[in-house]
Amino acid sequence: EAGVVQSPRYKIIEKKQPVAFWCNPISGHNTLYWYLQNLGQGPELLIRYENEEAVDDSQLPKDRFSAERLKGVDSTLKIQPAELGDSAVYLCASRGARGGELFFGEGSRLTVL
Amino acid sequence: AQTVTQSQPEMSVQEAETVTLSCTYDTSESDYYLFWYKQPPSRQMILVIRQEAYKQQNATENRFSVNFQKAAKSFSLKISDSQLGDAAMYFCAYRRGHDKIIFGKGTRLHILP
Repeated sequence: EAGVVQSPRYKIIEKKQPVAFWCNPISGHNTLYWYLQNLGQGPELLIRYENEEAVDDSQLPKDRFSAERLKGVDSTLKIQPAELGDSAVYLCASRGARGGELFFGEGSRLTVL
Repeated sequence: AQTVTQSQPEMSVQEAETVTLSCTYDTSESDYYLFWYKQPPSRQMILVIRQEAYKQQNATENRFSVNFQKAAKSFSLKISDSQLGDAAMYFCAYRRGHDKIIFGKGTRLHILP
């Protein structure tokens, strides 16, 4: 069974540029999460989807961050414009309808110069 | 609001020895889940062990076991017979129902050969 797939693994951009991250969850997993992980810190939730509905986006900085999961499968997280403080790892995770385990992707490491 | 606290930023243990990682949490709920996740360097986060709050018996997975003290809101992870491959960041996490998972800041575990 394929795991959670994220791309790109690494991205370096200059500040004020846009960037997008893509996530394909495990097949059949209805719940999808985007987490932000700063260096040496635990992941912090940005947004959670149940199918195509964003059910918790209270921590998403909506002035510059946006996310979508149009068909309830893969998802895109966008930052526009990027700021220096956005440098971090962006983790995607998914969870099936049963059980509580989250499966994580390898993450997308963003460096903003 | 729920919080998860890991008071040990770093720990070291001799190979083949036993180590215990501490975690405390704060919640007013009675039904929830607790997790320990492992994040090796530059690799994806994986679930180590899970505990349902309604279960009195401590969870065990091979060399990994927990000491769940519900009244004290404590959830420590014991790793027996430590191996070099156990070196990683370990995150304690809390989830209520289908809500988001809240992570602690992590403990970096070093295994000394």
